Amino acid sequence: EDKVVQSPLSLVVHEGDTVTLNCSYEVTNFRSLLWYKQEKKAPTFLFMLTSSGIEKKSGRLSSILDKKELFSILNITATQTGDSAVYLCAVGGLYNQGGKLIFGQGTELSVKP
Amino acid sequence: DADVTQTPRNRITKTGKRIMLECSQTKGHDRMYWYRQDPGLGLRLIYYSFDVKDINKGEISDGYSVSRQAQAKFSLSLESAIPNQTALYFCATSDLGYHEQYFGPGTRLTVT
Repeated sequence: EDKVVQSPLSLVVHEGDTVTLNCSYEVTNFRSLLWYKQEKKAPTFLFMLTSSGIEKKSGRLSSILDKKELFSILNITATQTGDSAVYLCAVGGLYNQGGKLIFGQGTELSVKP
Repeated sequence: DADVTQTPRNRITKTGKRIMLECSQTKGHDRMYWYRQDPGLGLRLIYYSFDVKDINKGEISDGYSVSRQAQAKFSLSLESAIPNQTALYFCATSDLGYHEQYFGPGTRLTVT
């Protein structure tokens, strides 16, 4: 059975800290791994990774994929209170399977002032 | 204007009632999805549609039905609502050949 597991499930840090969120997966016919940020509303897209070892970066956020070990990490440096959110990891298989995504449980990040 | 809209945004209904949640999109995407979100469980797929003539069950379709009225419209129905269907429901769209999905604002449904 395909599955995506995120850890930790929740995390509390202080502003300025660096955090690492983890996502491991077991998905048939892997094609891509996506990260979303959800702040009390709809998930918004952050990154999509398809190739192993290539880092995607956007400001203080970065992510990398390891297709051999079947995991990805999302790093957030110099955290701010605005980074408080649930971070969702999702994995996509073959496009002819409907472009379906399998989501992990999410990591709830709380950044304290 | 938002690309993916959902109505209603909040709904409280009683056990046994039929309810319909609606989703519209202006992104021109062929693929549309319905998810439910429960605390600690992430997003779980209820139904998805490749196009108007192609509808498929997701992992938790029991107790739900859908209708794809047009490329831009995808509705989710609960034929006889029960309390464990209380959840946050999201509609999403994606373009053919791409995994990135765009989400609507969600509908918070409470079944009493």
